Amino acid sequence: NAGVMQNPRHLVRRRGQEARLRCSPMKGHSHVYWYRQLPEEGLKFMVYLQKENIIDESGMPKERFSAEFPKEGPSILRIQQVVRGDSAAYFCASSLSGQGLYEQYFGPGTRLTVT
Amino acid sequence: EDKVVQSPLSLVVHEGDTVTLNCSYEVTNFRSLLWYKQEKKAPTFLFMLTSSGIEKKSGRLSSILDKKELFSILNITATQTGDSAIYLCAGWGAGSYQLTFGKGTKLSVIP
Repeated sequence: NAGVMQNPRHLVRRRGQEARLRCSPMKGHSHVYWYRQLPEEGLKFMVYLQKENIIDESGMPKERFSAEFPKEGPSILRIQQVVRGDSAAYFCASSLSGQGLYEQYFGPGTRLTVT
Repeated sequence: EDKVVQSPLSLVVHEGDTVTLNCSYEVTNFRSLLWYKQEKKAPTFLFMLTSSGIEKKSGRLSSILDKKELFSILNITATQTGDSAIYLCAGWGAGSYQLTFGKGTKLSVIP
């Protein structure tokens, strides 16, 4: 099955540590999006990437958060010096195009818990 | 700022009932509206709607878009316990790279 893959599914980090979340898009998709879902909240856009380029990072906090989608390998969302407020489910999605013409397919998410 | 509002926020029905979930949107340069079903895992894609008045159907689920009134509905007929989930609606604007999601409707189907 060539669906969107994310790992790890669950991640526990202590305050101050780094969290690395990985996402492999669906086969044939080169557009990747990251969303965050806080408890009792809807999904909130964080960042949109194409291969080797960050296209829109308007939803991503300016500090401690970064994302990349290298030429080879998965997209990575990195959170440095995690705080309790970073505890959330982080979902990755991919699509054929980034212009609202094709649906976004979501991965199973990574549930980050900061202790 | 783009906005998507879903109603009701939660709904409890009995198996066999028909339900209608609502989604209104304000999305700049609106291009498409998407419905997803979220259980305890990934949001699963249901429908993508771009044109007014054309119903999309998949089994017991159907959806329609009204671009004049800026809303969409998702209908589920003959509900089953397996339909219990959070149903998410999202708007996508041309030139934007992000989906704007509503908070979802939590549907509980009891036997």
